[in-house]
Amino acid sequence: GAGVSQTPSNKVTEKGKYVELRCDPISGHTALYWYRQSLGQGPEFLIYFQGTGAADDSGLPNDRFFAVRPEGSVSTLKIQRTERGDSAVYLCASSSSGGGSYNEQFFGPGTRLTVL
Amino acid sequence: SQQGEEDPQALSIQEGENATMNCSYKTSINNLQWYRQNSGRGLVHLILIRSNEREKHSGRLRVTLDTSKKSSSLLITASRAADTASYFCATAGTYKYIFGTGTRLKVLA
Repeated sequence: GAGVSQTPSNKVTEKGKYVELRCDPISGHTALYWYRQSLGQGPEFLIYFQGTGAADDSGLPNDRFFAVRPEGSVSTLKIQRTERGDSAVYLCASSSSGGGSYNEQFFGPGTRLTVL
Repeated sequence: SQQGEEDPQALSIQEGENATMNCSYKTSINNLQWYRQNSGRGLVHLILIRSNEREKHSGRLRVTLDTSKKSSSLLITASRAADTASYFCATAGTYKYIFGTGTRLKVLA
């Protein structure tokens, strides 16, 4: 595709439920990032993939959050036992950077997650 | 946690005026990037300045970087109503980007 896509665009769930958020990066981009953005704040780093492996997952808030990228392209962010505090916009970005943050990131439109 | 802080948090100007936003950060960087965000969704990359550069231009945008003061500024000249958005600086270490808190710019027609 022409850009980074994310699905769904909006997700409403109930506290305690499991959700999956999907990111399709730009074809050929080896680096993929997940961020979380709360209202009035900047994006907060969650996890970075280089290829299939998570090179840095230090931003994941706790073990309820997990992300995969099994074939080095599409990535899924998984949240177990959702809490109201997980409500935010989840942003995905990809970059052609091959191991250094020297290039621009291309962002998807985000998934707005609301936990009731 | 967020490393950068933008100043001011909000800015309102008239169309045609210049807008200046500042970003301060805490640790050493490889480069610093500025992004724009409309309506709280996807961010758009504006400009990247490397740690060994002091100034960079792109169209109506001018970015400066002072690594000794750990600060950067973004100047938008001859602003337009379409420039209304939130602007974020992002500092890049080895491979991780840390975003600031953003400046909300409103350009009045």
